[in-house]
Amino acid sequence: AQTVTQSQPEMSVQEAETVTLSCTYDTSENNYYLFWYKQPPSRQMILVIRQEAYKQQNATENRFSVNFQKAAKSFSLKISDSQLGDTAMYFCAFMKTGANSKLTFGKGITLSVRP
Amino acid sequence: NAGVTQTPKFQVLKTGQSMTLQCAQDMNHNSMYWYRQDPGMGLRLIYYSASEGTTDKGEVPNGYNVSRLNKREFSLRLESAAPSQTSVYFCASRRTDNYGYTFGSGTRLTVV
Repeated sequence: AQTVTQSQPEMSVQEAETVTLSCTYDTSENNYYLFWYKQPPSRQMILVIRQEAYKQQNATENRFSVNFQKAAKSFSLKISDSQLGDTAMYFCAFMKTGANSKLTFGKGITLSVRP
Repeated sequence: NAGVTQTPKFQVLKTGQSMTLQCAQDMNHNSMYWYRQDPGMGLRLIYYSASEGTTDKGEVPNGYNVSRLNKREFSLRLESAAPSQTSVYFCASRRTDNYGYTFGSGTRLTVV
């Protein structure tokens, strides 16, 4: 079974600064996908970024980028130029390849952006 | 708007009451899922349906039943609600590729 660990329950960052959220995972699979989801106070789950394990290049989406270290089973999210709207809970998630696969989530981290 | 629709958004039940959470998606997705979210626990899979006509247990299925009524709809039933089932419930769907899920807006359920 796969496990996803987010060891920091809370973080805080000043507006316009950069913050990195940590995530590690455990799996025996070689092919899989990793995700970061954002959950603002509205409760909606929003996909932030996705990484395919077979790709060495780190995924980037505007101000969001990841540092994917496959050997270390690490998948951190970097938010650049933090904005007040980035205040949310962030979940790291893992999914094997295949039609019958499911997302396994970490426990989440609450990020607060200070004005 | 295309997406995943969950009803109701909020519900209060008394211990022992039953209810069904409804979920429908209009994206022609094959797979559908029910998760519960509890503080400090992340999202945990209750049941899922890989395709129409099939359902399987997830990590925390006890106390729940599901029905995949057709390709669009996947309902979650609590037969005899317990306070331990107080949670936020999310329905999600996915195509057969690995892009990830589309989530509904969630149902906050309180059992008193």
